[in-house]
Order: sequence, then structure tokens, then C-alpha cells
Amino acid sequence: DQQVKQNSPSLSVQEGRISILNCDYTNSMFDYFLWYKKYPAEGPTFLISISSIKDKNEDGRFTVFLNKSAKHLSLHIVPSQPGDSAVYFCAAAGGGTGGGNKLTFGTGTQLKVEL
Amino acid sequence: DAMVIQNPRYQVTQFGKPVTLSCSQTLNHNVMYWYQQKSSQAPKLLFHYYDKDFNNEADTPDNFQSRRPNTSFCFLDIRSPGLGDAAMYLCATSRGGNIQYFGAGTRLSVL
Repeated sequence: DQQVKQNSPSLSVQEGRISILNCDYTNSMFDYFLWYKKYPAEGPTFLISISSIKDKNEDGRFTVFLNKSAKHLSLHIVPSQPGDSAVYFCAAAGGGTGGGNKLTFGTGTQLKVEL
Repeated sequence: DAMVIQNPRYQVTQFGKPVTLSCSQTLNHNVMYWYQQKSSQAPKLLFHYYDKDFNNEADTPDNFQSRRPNTSFCFLDIRSPGLGDAAMYLCATSRGGNIQYFGAGTRLSVL
């Protein structure tokens, strides 16, 4: 039972254009959402997050939008750069036990930004 | 630079031969996590330590154990690796909040 879904395994975008990565979730207990970026041979790196009390969070070229009623979030990258080529993981937190919040990850979307 | 370090980066073991993966951190975070990630799948939490308190996920096989001798170090022990345990193992830390900081991972091969 996959509670966090990234239905697009890959996305190809031209440099300078907008990249939109999507994520859906099913668990209503999730109250915090994160995006991680992963380059080959490296661990996931935290990129941006959003609390469920907000619907938008922006950090430079990166913006995350949250639609709670649709249980959907998206990451927008504008403008896209070749260095943005990586795997992007969506993760959700909430309802954890035992101290230390548990993250539930999606399967990732491979973004390729082409020149 | 404060960081999460995993050793070794690549580990090859034989079917049934115990193996230990290591994680250390200089962030002084009180929570440490172990994830298993198989190809094209989502990272899956195996267990985590909140300080010295061990929290096992319900579906983590008994074959997987962990030790945290101090704040800085955490080990993942696989008692009898099977072919299905070949995966990337990721260690992460946090201050107890939602944001976790990951090491580069150890890729385990089982022959």
C-alpha cells in the first residue's frame, strides 16, 4: 500500500523552462511534506518543505504547492537548469510514534534538463 | 563540514554471512534512521533510534538489527543476508523534527 505516489518516473524539460513534479498521497494524517533531490552516488538532499497549514512555500527557483483537498503536492522549478537534473523524491511526515518523525517516500521522478 | 558518513560505500557479502554497515554523524542529532532502498523503489524505513530508544518498524524482518553505542554512531547488522537483501542502505539523522539529513548510502551486494 503505497501512501505517497509519484506517478511519473521521468520528466524531460528544456533549460530555462518550468519543471513541474507531482506527488499524491493517501494518508490524511500526513501534515508535513518534503522534497529531496538525489544525484547519482550521493544521498538524498533536503530541498524544500511545506506544512499542511500552508498551500505554498517558495525558496528561490523552487516552489512547492499543496492542495490538501486533492491530497496533491507539486514542485515547480523555474527556470530549470542543467544542474537540476537529478532524482526528486517526495516525502510525507505525520502521525509518527516513538519520537523522531517517520518519513514516507515516493518512488522518485528522474528529472533531466536538456540544453 | 558537519555531515552523515556511511562506511563502506560498497559492501559485498556472501549469502548467509553476517554483515555490519556503519553510520556516523557530526551533526549531534539525537535521532538516527536506517532506510532500505531497492532499485526504482521508495526508501523504506527499517527502524530508528530516538536517543537510546530503539523503534522498529512493524514489517522490518528479524534478520535486521541495529545498535547505537553513542550519539555519533549507529550500526545496521544483517544476521543472515539473503539475495533479497541486496539494496542501498541509507542512514539519516534529525533533531527530532521532520527534516532528515542523509548519508551517501552503502550499496550491499549478496553473492
